[in-house]
Amino acid sequence: EAQVTQNPRYLITVTGKKLTVTCSQNMNHEYMSWYRQDPGLGLRQIYYSMNVEVTDKGDVPEGYKVSRKEKRNFPLILESPSPNQTSLYFCASSSGLDGYTFGSGTRLTVV
Amino acid sequence: AQSVTQPDIHITVSEGASLELRCNYSYGATPYLFWYVQSPGQGLQLLLKYFSGDTLVQGIKGFEAEFKRSQSSFNLRKPSVHWSDAAEYFCASDRGSTLGRLYFGRGTQLTVWP
Repeated sequence: EAQVTQNPRYLITVTGKKLTVTCSQNMNHEYMSWYRQDPGLGLRQIYYSMNVEVTDKGDVPEGYKVSRKEKRNFPLILESPSPNQTSLYFCASSSGLDGYTFGSGTRLTVV
Repeated sequence: AQSVTQPDIHITVSEGASLELRCNYSYGATPYLFWYVQSPGQGLQLLLKYFSGDTLVQGIKGFEAEFKRSQSSFNLRKPSVHWSDAAEYFCASDRGSTLGRLYFGRGTQLTVWP
């Protein structure tokens, strides 16, 4: 089954403790991206990647890092999480013209 | 500036009534346009997409959308709403590029009265 898999689904952490949210797709898509969803703001793009080793900032990149060492994986790294990064995070992948496939989401709480 | 605008934050309709959710985009190039639905606690499901060609697009669950270049709009419609359609709906666009960047509207929450 074609899918984007995010882990974990839920995460509670403390301020400053580094964490990684993993994202993996099995569709051989070139493009992958991360979004955060906040009430009243819709989804905003954090980072995106056009292929292996090619990444660029989206609209809200501050406090986040990404890497794309393999085509299928696109982890999101929070080096020093803060409470304002409490949000619902989605990973997506796309081949360009086929639309975007989203993961199930990761709900992150930073206390 | 907002690339994609959904003017209605919340819409309430009665079951069986028709539905139209508005979406406007604000740039000159012909964009690729999408409608997604999100049920509570769930991820995003693609309802339909417009890339080119026929401006009336059919999607899943009985939804359709019409691309109107003159109005910079891509409104979502359904002739008869079911209670299970209650959810949040997002319009999105990649601004006519294929670089993997999606821009979302802020969403419209749909409530369906029985």
